[in-house]
Amino acid sequence: SAVISQKPSRDICQRGTSLTIQCQVDSQVTMMFWYRQQPGQSLTLIATANQGSEATYESGFVIDKFPISRPNLTFSTLTVSNMSPEDSSIYLCSVEEGGGRPYEQYFGPGTRLTVT
Amino acid sequence: AQSVAQPEDQVNVAEGNPLTVKCTYSVSGNPYLFWYVQYPNRGLQFLLKYITGDNLVKGSYGFEAEFNKSQTSFHLKKPSALVSDSALYFCAVRDKGDYKLSFGAGTTVTVRA
Repeated sequence: SAVISQKPSRDICQRGTSLTIQCQVDSQVTMMFWYRQQPGQSLTLIATANQGSEATYESGFVIDKFPISRPNLTFSTLTVSNMSPEDSSIYLCSVEEGGGRPYEQYFGPGTRLTVT
Repeated sequence: AQSVAQPEDQVNVAEGNPLTVKCTYSVSGNPYLFWYVQYPNRGLQFLLKYITGDNLVKGSYGFEAEFNKSQTSFHLKKPSALVSDSALYFCAVRDKGDYKLSFGAGTTVTVRA
């Protein structure tokens, strides 16, 4: 399966600032996803990022708050803008490889964000 | 709309005993079902999936799951649990033809020595 890395692994930020999270994959993938895992809760899909098109956001998430870039088939960024303590979560990127592993999504190690 | 229910927040078993983690789902069409495991301070790891075919699917680390269409369930099982199986387990579903995964709330498994 694809190897996925995220930077930073964790960060502590002040409210009102922004943080950009990077996701790098060791192979070319069409579909990349960004999830949020709030403390003690399950995963919620933020958006789907496909190369060459704008990201598709799920209900409750907007581009102004979570802008996403997908410049090529191996890389994506998620920015958490104008942060508040409610944004404290683990942010995970995932990819769907297709090919010999259809429908399987694989996840990066996550970025643990704390907003003070 | 699609959803997943994991009725148990926690499951506690003794090492060597069978382990079962329950999952029920709701989709409008045909379900694709998945189990993931999350160890502390680590990302999610894929365990197994059901897409079509045999209702009993086998996955990583000796885990298996049984798809039951009439009961809309996809319970995760392991015949003999290990202490190292202690982790947070997530069931997930997607509708055939859709890319979106919906996750259950998660079940914390504790295996005592």
